[in-house]
Amino acid sequence: QLVQSGAEVRKPGASVKISCKTSGYTFTSYSIHWVRQDPGKSLEWMGWINAANGNTKYSHKFQGRVTFTRDTSATTAYMEVSSLESDDTAVYYCARMTGLHFDSWGLGTQVTVTS
Amino acid sequence: QSVLTQPPSVSGAPGQRVTISCTGSRSNIGAGYDVYWYQQLPGKAPKLLIYANSLRPSGVPDRFSGSKSGSSASLAIAGLQAEDEADYYCQSYDNTLSNSPFVFGPGTEVTVV
Repeated sequence: QLVQSGAEVRKPGASVKISCKTSGYTFTSYSIHWVRQDPGKSLEWMGWINAANGNTKYSHKFQGRVTFTRDTSATTAYMEVSSLESDDTAVYYCARMTGLHFDSWGLGTQVTVTS
Repeated sequence: QSVLTQPPSVSGAPGQRVTISCTGSRSNIGAGYDVYWYQQLPGKAPKLLIYANSLRPSGVPDRFSGSKSGSSASLAIAGLQAEDEADYYCQSYDNTLSNSPFVFGPGTEVTVV
């Protein structure tokens, strides 16, 4: 099970940090990926974190503005997005990867960027 | 713009069978990478529906079936029910997009008329 933090509202230029609390499996055995869904749009892969060693990979689109971290003792993954723009208004999902697919998803966190 | 293409919408009457196509290329589906399907009910998170082209996770009704051939894949919903109204996304892996290799289709809205 993946439980995400609640909806957030931020002003342009601010940052937001979303959490993804996992349970029911060995946290360090799976990577956690982050997927963005713009309003009325498809799903877009943002990157992932290796829960075991903390290694990360970011899509070029988000590199430099997004940071993935994790706390193994809390079995929780985090994503921070900085320098928010109105175009960052979206639902952000964390998802567990098995093989090359996502077998478990968080419920999503709505981030709204508005002045 | 996605490297996987899907029809924007399909519709069918209750009890009918509908199919959704997912067309890729030689760098993803055609390269032998598996196709996965997700169902997203209105206002909900995506849920894995089909993995490894044709396998159903536990709990997914056998009305849902998947297949793959060449650079394309299909999701079929037999005996369409009102509860199947949702967006359906295909997903695969692309070996030319090292920056962003996990690719989703644009999604297909299924309407039960």
